Amino acid sequence: AQSVTQLDSQVPVFEEAPVELRCNYSSSVSVYLFWYVQYPNQGLQLLLKYLSGSTLVKGINGFEAEFNKSQTSFHLRKPSVHISDTAEYFCAVSVDSWGKFQFGAGTQVVVTP
Amino acid sequence: DVKVTQSSRYLVKRTGEKVFLECVQDMDHENMFWYRQDPGLGLRLIYFSYDVKMKEKGDIPEGYSVSREKKERFSLILESASTNQTSMYLCASSLGQVRPYEQYFGPGTRLTVT
Repeated sequence: AQSVTQLDSQVPVFEEAPVELRCNYSSSVSVYLFWYVQYPNQGLQLLLKYLSGSTLVKGINGFEAEFNKSQTSFHLRKPSVHISDTAEYFCAVSVDSWGKFQFGAGTQVVVTP
Repeated sequence: DVKVTQSSRYLVKRTGEKVFLECVQDMDHENMFWYRQDPGLGLRLIYFSYDVKMKEKGDIPEGYSVSREKKERFSLILESASTNQTSMYLCASSLGQVRPYEQYFGPGTRLTVT
């Protein structure tokens, strides 16, 4: 069974600083990986996804993630954050061909001036 | 744009009440999902449906049931609400086996059971 571990529950960061959110997964089969963002009082929005091909994936709002098969990781990065990036971020892995996901516990990013 | 709507943003119910949470999507998606979201636990799948009248249990189905009579609508039912079902409930949909991997989420319903 797949599992997803987000290593940080909360990440404080100053505006215009870089941020990295860590995600590790366990799986014995090929996986598809996702990062979602949840702004306050909203549903989840897809940031980016890895299905195949290049291991560096670019998403919306300047975010990117790198799939590392040997490390079973899919870390999310942004070189310079804005106040508006304050949100909760979820890493997810697909668990079957129907599109069911296993989600991580989430990482709360708080951007301060 | 895909739109997933949920019937209520906030709901307060009493212990023992039967509660219906409704979800509607407007993009003819085959798959629909119900999750609950709790701090520190992320999203956990309650039920999902891959077609009308088809349903499968997720990771935490106890105390819940679902109904999918029409393709666009997926209802979550709490037969007898309990305080430990106080949570945020999120509905999602995806296209099916053509593009099953992109789930679109509704805004969520925050349910409080007193």
